[in-house]
Amino acid sequence: GEDVEQSLFLSVREGDSSVINCTYTDSSSTYLYWYKQEPGAGLQLLTYIFSNMDMKQDQRLTVLLNKKDKHLSLRIADTQTGDSAIYFCAERVTGGGNKLTFGTGTQLKVEL
Amino acid sequence: NAGVTQTPKFQVLKTGQSMTLQCAQDMNHEYMSWYRQDPGMGLRLIHYSVGAGITDQGEVPNGYNVSRSTTEDFPLRLLSAAPSQTSVYFCASRQAGGQETQYFGPGTRLLVL
Repeated sequence: GEDVEQSLFLSVREGDSSVINCTYTDSSSTYLYWYKQEPGAGLQLLTYIFSNMDMKQDQRLTVLLNKKDKHLSLRIADTQTGDSAIYFCAERVTGGGNKLTFGTGTQLKVEL
Repeated sequence: NAGVTQTPKFQVLKTGQSMTLQCAQDMNHEYMSWYRQDPGMGLRLIHYSVGAGITDQGEVPNGYNVSRSTTEDFPLRLLSAAPSQTSVYFCASRQAGGQETQYFGPGTRLLVL
């Protein structure tokens, strides 16, 4: 079955770039997602990438996918205090219905 | 659109009590899912549905029942609550056919004593 892993905590200074990493195990055709969760709230989809892509950029967000190492990263440029949240990596195997497998989440803390 | 709504926001139960967590969406989405979120474990899939009348088990289905009699509603039932079911529960929905955005409700915080 699918397994998704993330580091638990990341601290950066405001204005720096943040890089949040994720590894996954399934080698099938898959969608990989990044979600953001602010305290007391549900999850908000930030971006996603399909496994036939290497990179996707959306404003301050850049997603890199290394299929050989099954490694996914989310880079946030010019990190702001409003970016402080928990970031979840998730995987959905195509043909598997709507089943998402989530990582444990990375707590991003942005310091002044 | 109200999006995905969940009620109640917070609930305290005693062991052995039953209750239903409500979830509704007004976007005519085919797919709906229930997740639980526990510290250090991310979100885990409990049950999901790909359309009215169709449900299936996720990763952690034991102790929970679901039904999908309409497209809009996807209630989650706890038949006999246990302290291990203390968690935050999220409902989510998604349009079928290539739309990857999954919409999450605000969550229900459940405490079982």
